[in-house]
Amino acid sequence: QVQLVQSGAEVKKPGSSVKVSCQASGGSFSSYGIHWVRQAPGQGLEWVGGIIPLFGAPHYAQSFQGRLTITADKVTSTVYMDLNSLTYVDTAVYYCARDGVRGTYSQLDFWGQGTLVTVSS
Amino acid sequence: DIQMTQSPSTLSASVGDRVTITCRASQSIGRWLAWYQQKPGNAPNLLIYMASSLESGVPSRFSGSGSGTVFTLTISGLQPDDFATYFCQHYNDYSKTFGQGTKVEIK
Repeated sequence: QVQLVQSGAEVKKPGSSVKVSCQASGGSFSSYGIHWVRQAPGQGLEWVGGIIPLFGAPHYAQSFQGRLTITADKVTSTVYMDLNSLTYVDTAVYYCARDGVRGTYSQLDFWGQGTLVTVSS
Repeated sequence: DIQMTQSPSTLSASVGDRVTITCRASQSIGRWLAWYQQKPGNAPNLLIYMASSLESGVPSRFSGSGSGTVFTLTISGLQPDDFATYFCQHYNDYSKTFGQGTKVEIK
């Protein structure tokens, strides 16, 4: 069974950066895309970006271009999301989730437990 | 960018009701659409993919239909466990886009 385990909650100051990890187990890591989806308090779901480790090149939502970096470590089966220039609107639960189809972006069939990132002065 | 619009935003229903949620795409997306259920404090759970394929383990009272720009999620015989928020999601080779969600609450 695939499991995605995320790093713990973070409290960050405006203007700083945060790095959240997502470690996968129980499946073929490199062949499936891993994505980041965030949810601000009381709000809907927003796709942040994703990567298929086998191909290496990440894709980012337009609104995060320039301050987001997603990387994958095939040795440890871990995907990282690095978001900088944080503002209060970045306060959200960040989920990682896996594509259900090998080698392409598709529906998200396994999800991590979520990581709360709070931006506060 | 493709926009996904769900309706209604909130839906009040009773146990046993047949419930339909609609998701509209700003341009044709074929059948590249998924539906998720989310309960408070939990990650979303995949229900439907490719517009109408039922994810393994999901009860058969959930069904999806549509193609192009209009899609529906139907719950036939609402159960107490189904009171939650539902999201549609379009996916393609380089991005994903979610609808804003539909909350199904008890009438």
